[in-house]
Amino acid sequence: QPVLTQPPSASASLGASVTLTCTLSSGYSNYEVDWYQQRPGKGPRFVMRVGTGGIVGSKGDGIPDRFSVLGSGLNRYLTIKNIQEEDESDYHCGADHDSGSNFVYVFGTGTKVTVL
Amino acid sequence: QVQLQQWGAGLLKPSETLSLTCAVYGGSFSGHYWKWIRQPPGKGLEWIGEVNYGGSTNYNPSLKSRVTISVDMSKNQFSLKLNSVTAADTAVYYCARDPERGGAYGFDIWGQGTMVTVSS
Repeated sequence: QPVLTQPPSASASLGASVTLTCTLSSGYSNYEVDWYQQRPGKGPRFVMRVGTGGIVGSKGDGIPDRFSVLGSGLNRYLTIKNIQEEDESDYHCGADHDSGSNFVYVFGTGTKVTVL
Repeated sequence: QVQLQQWGAGLLKPSETLSLTCAVYGGSFSGHYWKWIRQPPGKGLEWIGEVNYGGSTNYNPSLKSRVTISVDMSKNQFSLKLNSVTAADTAVYYCARDPERGGAYGFDIWGQGTMVTVSS
């Protein structure tokens, strides 16, 4: 099953942009990844799914246009443009792995985004 | 609008069994996968397992020996049991819906979360 690696933290000044990275372990370059936002003290919220071709499907309910994704090689990116105070959250990536005989879902360790 | 409402005991002693239930309101129970996820204090998310409306399950290999997820279609509910708990099982537990496993919607609806503390 894949391992998803995320840096523990990222920051950006109000109104600037920040790009978060979720890196798949070797051999899983064709996998799609889900991004989730988790505001302080709240439950996670689905942002969108990303593959090597970009967004898969559509954004989650209420996700602003300033959120976008890209995928390249083993990396899946979430970019927040014109970052706002309400974007200060933990961002988790996750991926499903179906071996045919078993299904598992794995999460990365999450990135804490601070708005300066 | 679909909502998930979860409940269960919040304080357990080591070796006891964790038991949580999640009820689905306002939408169809069939055709989807229903998940349990947990988050230890200050840490990331961990997928525990899933069940579909037919009762088919998949579990996190690291928890498989202690976990049972079941479904009660008559009540639009699904449940989590985790036996032989230890302090390492202290976490916020979430139920969630996966409308199309492997599809483009992720876990689109989440329960409110239940803090479960294991302490002697």
